[in-house]
Amino acid sequence: EAGVAQSPRYKIIEKRQSVAFWCNPISGHATLYWYQQILGQGPKLLIQFQNNGVVDDSQLPKDRFSAERLKGVDSTLKIQPAKLEDSAVYLCASSRDDTGANVLTFGAGSRLTVL
Amino acid sequence: AQSVTQLGSHVSVSEGALVLLRCNYSSSVPPYLFWYVHYPNQVLQLLLKYTSAATLVKGINGFEAEFKKSETSFHLTKPSAHMSDAAEYFCAVRLSGGYQKVTFGIGTKLQVIP
Repeated sequence: EAGVAQSPRYKIIEKRQSVAFWCNPISGHATLYWYQQILGQGPKLLIQFQNNGVVDDSQLPKDRFSAERLKGVDSTLKIQPAKLEDSAVYLCASSRDDTGANVLTFGAGSRLTVL
Repeated sequence: AQSVTQLGSHVSVSEGALVLLRCNYSSSVPPYLFWYVHYPNQVLQLLLKYTSAATLVKGINGFEAEFKKSETSFHLTKPSAHMSDAAEYFCAVRLSGGYQKVTFGIGTKLQVIP
């Protein structure tokens, strides 16, 4: 099966600019996750969708970050305005659902550098 | 809330030596536990998972992990390290029930010395 697709792979912006990342999950996967991985740290969950509804966005900085998953398929994550501390790899993952031991399948990530 | 603690952000072993990567979890209920691996130039992928069916879990590439409830641990081992095992390893936890998130540890970078 095709993997999780993410774009762009790399993005360099200046602080206060905006950026958007796109993710297309594995076909049929109901749950979609956006993780932020800062250098030297583990992935931190930003937002989790079940179909097109949000089930967890407790760690999403809502004053600058937003995400949507239209029609329960692909998703976009937006940052506006960006701060220096937003420099990280943004990982998208999907799973069949969000119960039990369902495995997350990750994309290659989008590396953001904020100058 | 659930969490995992990985002891040692960097581990170095000689080729052929035992690999031991430590993970302790904190959870109010029996959790599901995972080890994910990030090989260079590949995506983060599942190495193995604990689902309560058996306490000793075998994964890909000769790795295994043992769930020890009394020690709240899920350490990852491999009897003999290979150069290709050089990667970053993440322990992760998810509680049972619906709408549960997966929480990752800080990661351990494994270096294999020839």
